[in-house]
Amino acid sequence: QKEVEQDPGPLSVPEGAIVSLNCTYSNSAFQYFMWYRQYSRKGPELLMYTYSSGNKEDGRFTAQVDKSSKYISLFIRDSQPSDSATYLCATWADFAGNMLTFGGGTRLMVKP
Amino acid sequence: KAGVTQTPRYLIKTRGQQVTLSCSPISGHRSVSWYQQTPGQGLQFLFEYFSETQRNKGNFPGRFSGRQFSNSRSEMNVSTLELGDSALYLCASSSGHDYGYTFGSGTRLTVV
Repeated sequence: QKEVEQDPGPLSVPEGAIVSLNCTYSNSAFQYFMWYRQYSRKGPELLMYTYSSGNKEDGRFTAQVDKSSKYISLFIRDSQPSDSATYLCATWADFAGNMLTFGGGTRLMVKP
Repeated sequence: KAGVTQTPRYLIKTRGQQVTLSCSPISGHRSVSWYQQTPGQGLQFLFEYFSETQRNKGNFPGRFSGRQFSNSRSEMNVSTLELGDSALYLCASSSGHDYGYTFGSGTRLTVV
């Protein structure tokens, strides 16, 4: 079993829809939770991070972490075709060395 | 502020050959990490260098090696290439003390 699990999709939604992307993780000691966005032929770029449990909002994006259920979510409101990309969740903890543990990524397609 | 630069962008090699990939981190960043990305396994951690020392290593065979120079630039080497080494190799730089990683666009390696 991978440490971070993510539904690979693809997920296809119409423009303007609310998108929900989710991950689960196994190690309760993870401290930081990140969402990366990766466009085709590009490296991942950090979208948002959350420390411990709770919500964090940035424009149309909301990241949510529930440590009791080991569940990570990213919500995208008013989705746009430019949001079409692969979304990767990742965890980081200083006990694990300076490395990110990634989920497999979910491919999102927003259709005009 | 210049981003993370990886060269070359694309490479085609033959089985049994060796290859060297290069990464120039963001100015001031002392940590460079390498990841392998494949459709089947996703993003997997290879190793991390900080101030010319390897601090952490992932679960890859010894054919994968790296080094970091005094100017923080890093190289990754893969010897005796196998077909399964075909992947996108990503470099990420950070200060080395937190989760703030910036990724390059990667080197696409194809082994034939």
